[in-house]
Amino acid sequence: GNSVTQMEGPVTLSEEAFLTINCTYTATGYPSLFWYVQYPGEGLQLLLKATKADDKGSNKGFEATYRKETTSFHLEKGSVQVSDSAVYFCALSDSGGGADGLTFGKGTHLIIQP
Amino acid sequence: DVKVTQSSRYLVKRTGEKVFLECVQDMDHENMFWYRQDPGLGLRLIYFSYDVKMKEKGDIPEGYSVSREKKERFSLILESASTNQTSMYLCASSPVDRVSYEQYFGPGTRLTVT
Repeated sequence: GNSVTQMEGPVTLSEEAFLTINCTYTATGYPSLFWYVQYPGEGLQLLLKATKADDKGSNKGFEATYRKETTSFHLEKGSVQVSDSAVYFCALSDSGGGADGLTFGKGTHLIIQP
Repeated sequence: DVKVTQSSRYLVKRTGEKVFLECVQDMDHENMFWYRQDPGLGLRLIYFSYDVKMKEKGDIPEGYSVSREKKERFSLILESASTNQTSMYLCASSPVDRVSYEQYFGPGTRLTVT
């Protein structure tokens, strides 16, 4: 079956540091890949996505590249801010499905200190 | 903007009570989902629906049922609440999109069963 593995954290960084959150996946077919972010007390928001190999998703200074050869979708940001403190979820959807739910990683709690 | 709303942000119920969690989306999406979110376990799919009156079991359907009488509304029912159902419940919806299967989430309902 499908699965997503990501570092759980918490990950604590200083403001303006470089961020990498690793995500690897196992899937049949050709999944779409997502990063969602959950700010304290809120639901999940889509941060970025990639639908095929070598695609790069980007939003709000965050980037992730769909690497089929390493089955990875690592999230990066060059200079983090305190406002980036949140829980980040890597997820996939199997393109073979239609209405099936997403498969999520367990989430990475990111804490940015001023 | 897509909007997914959930009937309550916080709910406290007693063991054995019947509990209804309501979710409404305003973007005419075909697919709707219920997840629960627990620390260290991430998000797990309970049930999903791809059409009115249609439902499919997700990964952890035991102890839950669902109802979808109208396209915009998807209800999660706990027939007899138990303490191990204390959790954050997230509703999501998505259009039929054979490219990315992106989902849109509500703010969540934090349910405590005492």
